[in-house]
Amino acid sequence: EAQVTQNPRYLITVTGKKLTVTCSQNMNHEYMSWYRQDPGLGLRQIYYSMNVEVTDKGDVPEGYKVSRKEKRNFPLILESPSPNQTSLYFCASKGLRAGGYDEQFFGPGTRLTVL
Amino acid sequence: AQTVTQSQPEMSVQEAETVTLSCTYDTSESDYYLFWYKQPPSRQMILVIRQEAYKQQNATENRFSVNFQKAAKSFSLKISDSQLGDAAMYFCAYMVSGYSGGGADGLTFGKGTHLIIQP
Repeated sequence: EAQVTQNPRYLITVTGKKLTVTCSQNMNHEYMSWYRQDPGLGLRQIYYSMNVEVTDKGDVPEGYKVSRKEKRNFPLILESPSPNQTSLYFCASKGLRAGGYDEQFFGPGTRLTVL
Repeated sequence: AQTVTQSQPEMSVQEAETVTLSCTYDTSESDYYLFWYKQPPSRQMILVIRQEAYKQQNATENRFSVNFQKAAKSFSLKISDSQLGDAAMYFCAYMVSGYSGGGADGLTFGKGTHLIIQP
């Protein structure tokens, strides 16, 4: 089954304790991205990756890191989480075809609470 | 930069009635896609309908249809015969067409409309 998986689904942590949210896709997609969803703000892109070892900032990258060492994985790293990073996080992936449409597939979401 | 605006934070409709959710957007691109996503309480992001900007015909998926007005940059979603299972948060989203090689390949979302279905 084609899917994007995220782990953990729920996480409660404390300020300053490094954490990683994993994301994996089994569709051989080139493009992967992270979004955060906050009430009244919709979803906003944090980081994206066009392919292995190619990453770039989205609209709200402050306080986050990512890496893309393998095509299927795109972990989101919070080196020193703060309460304003309490949010719902989505990983997404899609293929890249010049001039074509590729649907974006979303993971199930990770609810993060930073105390 | 492109922006997507949903001016209705919340809408309520009686079961079996029709409801229309509004969305406007701003872009300098001529070729792009517009989407409506549904997010039920499970938080899953579900693609409801997609519209290609170069197509004049409005997209339809069963009870869901759009009114796409390219000149006005308007993209509303009509839900006919509303059902209890339609209750969710609905997001309007934009994506530039094709492979631009940048962040524009991602989605730009509106802030969402919470749809309530009254039984």
